[in-house]
Amino acid sequence: GAVVSQHPSWVICKSGTSVKIECRSLDFQATTMFWYRQFPKQSLMLMATSNEGSKATYEQGVEKDKFLINHASLTLSTLTVTSAHPEDSSFYICSAPDRATSYTFGSGTRLTVV
Amino acid sequence: GENVEQHPSTLSVQEGDSAVIKCTYSDSASNYFPWYKQELGKGPQLIIDIRSNVGEKKDQRIAVTLNKTAKHFSLHITETQPEDSAVYFCAAISTGTASKLTFGTGTRLQVTL
Repeated sequence: GAVVSQHPSWVICKSGTSVKIECRSLDFQATTMFWYRQFPKQSLMLMATSNEGSKATYEQGVEKDKFLINHASLTLSTLTVTSAHPEDSSFYICSAPDRATSYTFGSGTRLTVV
Repeated sequence: GENVEQHPSTLSVQEGDSAVIKCTYSDSASNYFPWYKQELGKGPQLIIDIRSNVGEKKDQRIAVTLNKTAKHFSLHITETQPEDSAVYFCAAISTGTASKLTFGTGTRLQVTL
C-alpha cells in the first residue's frame, strides 16, 4: 500500500533554534500534503495544506512565518519550525491523499523544545 | 465548516467483548468517513472507511455503519483482543473545504484480560 515516510521520528532542540521535518511519499505522487499537530491526549489539528509548486494554505491561528512549509516536488514536503519555543513541543504528523479520498499518514515526529 | 463529535472518550471492555464507538457529523455534503487507529507515539493507521453511497461495511472483526439521514456513523469491533487497545479517531471529509479531513476527538479503547 501507499507509504508516507516521515523523518525524524523524534527530535530535541534548544529554544530559539529551527527544526525541519520531512515527509516523502514513497510509491505515489503527493500533489497535496496536510500537516497536523497533536498535543497529548488530543485529536489531530490541521495546521496547513501544502501544494506542490505553490504556497501553502494555513489554518486560522497558525503562524505562517513560524511554520514554514515547502512542497518542492511531487514526493517531498517539509515543515520547518522556526525559532522553536517550549510551547511548540508537540507531535507533528503529515498526511497525503494516495487516491481519490484515501489518506496515508506519516509515522509522526515528536518535537521537544528545551 | 465540518464538525465531528465522537463518543465515548474512553472505553474499557473485556477481551472477547464488543466495542462500539459513535460519531456524528454536521456537514451533509460529507461523503467519506474513515476510521483510524493510533498507537502511542505513532501516526494514525486507516482501519476501515465508508463512503456515503453505502450503509455498512465489514472487514473481519471490524464493521462501520453509516446513517446519512441522522448524520452519524459508528465503528464496531467484535471479539476484542488486547492488541485492539489504542486510540481510535473517526473523520469526515467535507467536500466544501478542499477535501480536508475533520477528526473526531478520539476514543481511548482499553481491552482488559
